[in-house]
Amino acid sequence: GESVGLHLPTLSVQEGDNSIINCAYSNSASDYFIWYKQESGKGPQFIIDIRSNMDKRQGQRVTVLLNKTVKHLSLQIAATQPGDSAVYFCAVSGGSYIPTFGRGTSLIVHP
Amino acid sequence: GAVVSQHPSWVICKSGTSVKIECRSLDFQATTMFWYRQFPKQSLMLMATSNEGSKATYEQGVEKDKFLINHASLTLSTLTVTSAHPEDSSFYICSARGRTGNTEAFFGQGTRLTVV
Repeated sequence: GESVGLHLPTLSVQEGDNSIINCAYSNSASDYFIWYKQESGKGPQFIIDIRSNMDKRQGQRVTVLLNKTVKHLSLQIAATQPGDSAVYFCAVSGGSYIPTFGRGTSLIVHP
Repeated sequence: GAVVSQHPSWVICKSGTSVKIECRSLDFQATTMFWYRQFPKQSLMLMATSNEGSKATYEQGVEKDKFLINHASLTLSTLTVTSAHPEDSSFYICSARGRTGNTEAFFGQGTRLTVV
C-alpha cells in the first residue's frame, strides 16, 4: 500500500515570505499527486495537481514540484498571506485510483 | 464548477439513533464518491469508496453494517451512521470525482457529528 508522510507538522512563516511544504511517498507506481488546503472546520479545497509525466506545475502563487527519483513532492506558495494559514495535505494515487492522504502540515502565517 | 455540497454541516444526536449525511455533486456527475472520517488534528481516513449503482467498497476495519453507504444516482451519495455511539462522534467528509481514473476529487464542506 501507499505510505505518505509530511516532513514538518507545523510551518510558521512571516507574511510575504515564500512557503515550502514537503511530502514524501513510498510507492514508485504512484502517478497522480494533489495538494489540498483545509481550513478549520471545513472540507479540503483542491489547490493544484501534477501527474508523473511532469516535474513542475504552476498555478496562481503556487508551484508543485515532483521528484520521482526520490519520491518527493513539494508545494511552494509565493508571497504567503494570512489567508493561506491552514492545514495542507498531499494526496497520492496510483493504479487503484484511490488517493492516500499525508498527515498534513499546519501553515501559520504571521502578519 | 466542481461543487460538492454536504448536508448537514453539523448534527447532534442521541446514542442509539441513526444519522444520515448527504453528499451531492451540484454541477457534475460523480462516477465515484469517497467517504472519510477525520479526527482533530489528524489526516483524512478513508472509510469507503462508492461507485454509482454498485455496492460501496469499505476499507479494512470499517463496519459496513454500521456505516451504510448508498450511491443511488450520479449526483447523490448518502452515509448513514446506524445506532450511533459517542465514539462515532467525528468530522465526516465526502468527496466526488467526475471522471474515471486518477483525476481530481472535490470535497464537501464536511459534517460534524456529535453523539450524546
